[in-house]
Amino acid sequence: EDQVTQSPEALRLQEGESSSLNCSYTVSGLRGLFWYRQDPGKGPEFLFTLYSAGEEKEKERLKATLTKKESFLHITAPKPEDSATYLCAVQANTNAGKSTFGDGTTLTVKP
Amino acid sequence: NAGVTQTPKFQVLKTGQSMTLQCAQDMNHEYMSWYRQDPGMGLRLIHYSVGAGITDQGEVPNGYNVSRSTTEDFPLRLLSAAPSQTSVYFCASSYSLGGLYNEQFFGPGTRLTVL
Repeated sequence: EDQVTQSPEALRLQEGESSSLNCSYTVSGLRGLFWYRQDPGKGPEFLFTLYSAGEEKEKERLKATLTKKESFLHITAPKPEDSATYLCAVQANTNAGKSTFGDGTTLTVKP
Repeated sequence: NAGVTQTPKFQVLKTGQSMTLQCAQDMNHEYMSWYRQDPGMGLRLIHYSVGAGITDQGEVPNGYNVSRSTTEDFPLRLLSAAPSQTSVYFCASSYSLGGLYNEQFFGPGTRLTVL
């Protein structure tokens, strides 16, 4: 059974204080790992897809990396508008139609 | 493009009532899915479809039915609502490239309360 564990559950940062969110996964052959951002009361919004270990993707203050067991979402010099819940999901080679999501990390950035 | 739309936004049901949550997308995506999200938790897959006429069960399918008669629409039916089905429901769609389903586009959600 595919499993995704995200840590920490909640993270409070001061504006400008860089940090990382972790997504550990167990999957029978990784097809893709996805990061989404979810604002309160809204549906998740896509950020990145990573396909193979060693891959990195960047967008503004966010950088996602992938190893064979986990992915990190690095946030550099965050701003209050980066406050949201960040969700990680995996797709396995054996279940192309199914994505397994983690419980998310809720990030709060204080000015 | 409207993207993925869901109706209604809010719904209150009594135990035992039935209802249909509507979902539509205008991106010609072959893949559509339904998730539920409970407080403090991630998304759990209820049912999904890889094309018109094709549906399959996800992680938590009990108590829910789906059908896919067109590419655009993917309704979720609750036959006899139970308090355990109180949740926020999200519909999503995606496209495939080279056999891989890519990122999902989510609707705004339906907040359902069952009394």
